[in-house]
Amino acid sequence: AQSVTQPDIHITVSEGASLELRCNYSYGATPYLFWYVQSPGQGLQLLLKYFSGDTLVQGIKGFEAEFKRSQSSFNLRKPSVHWSDAAEYFCAVGAARKYIFGTGTRLKVLA
Amino acid sequence: NAGVTQTPKFQVLKTGQSMTLQCAQDMNHEYMSWYRQDPGMGLRLIHYSVGAGITDQGEVPNGYNVSRSTTEDFPLRLLSAAPSQTSVYFCASSQTSGSLNTGELFFGEGSRLTVL
Repeated sequence: AQSVTQPDIHITVSEGASLELRCNYSYGATPYLFWYVQSPGQGLQLLLKYFSGDTLVQGIKGFEAEFKRSQSSFNLRKPSVHWSDAAEYFCAVGAARKYIFGTGTRLKVLA
Repeated sequence: NAGVTQTPKFQVLKTGQSMTLQCAQDMNHEYMSWYRQDPGMGLRLIHYSVGAGITDQGEVPNGYNVSRSTTEDFPLRLLSAAPSQTSVYFCASSQTSGSLNTGELFFGEGSRLTVL
């Protein structure tokens, strides 16, 4: 069965520090992989996606993610976090018309 | 560009009442879906549709009905509301055919439902 695991429920970083959010997936074939961000009281916005090709993908707001097939991972990174990055982040896998989401990681940014 | 529009944004129901959450998109997307978001559980798929007249169940379909009579609209019906259906509901759509198949989901702003 398809599944997505985000092992970190909460992460706190200082402004300017680097960030890595973890995502592991379970799927029988190469999936479509996504990262979404949700600000409080808002819907979800796409940060980046991976379908095929280069395993390092760039997204909006300075985020990037790396697909590692051997580890079934799709971790999200940012070199320097800004206070406005505080939000909840969701990893998702898409296949067979169903999009399966992880439980999310809530990011807190300290000034 | 309106994108995905959900109404109402907030609703309070009593146990046993019925209601419909409306979802409309103006992007001519074939794929539409409903999710519920609960603390610590992420987004769980309720129902989805790959085109007008075609619907299917997701992960948590019990207590909900959907229909897809047009490409634009995908209403979610709660037949007899229960406190366990207190949640935030999101409608999302995606283009899933032809050269525009990006797979990206476009979300509405959500509908917060409380069942007393």
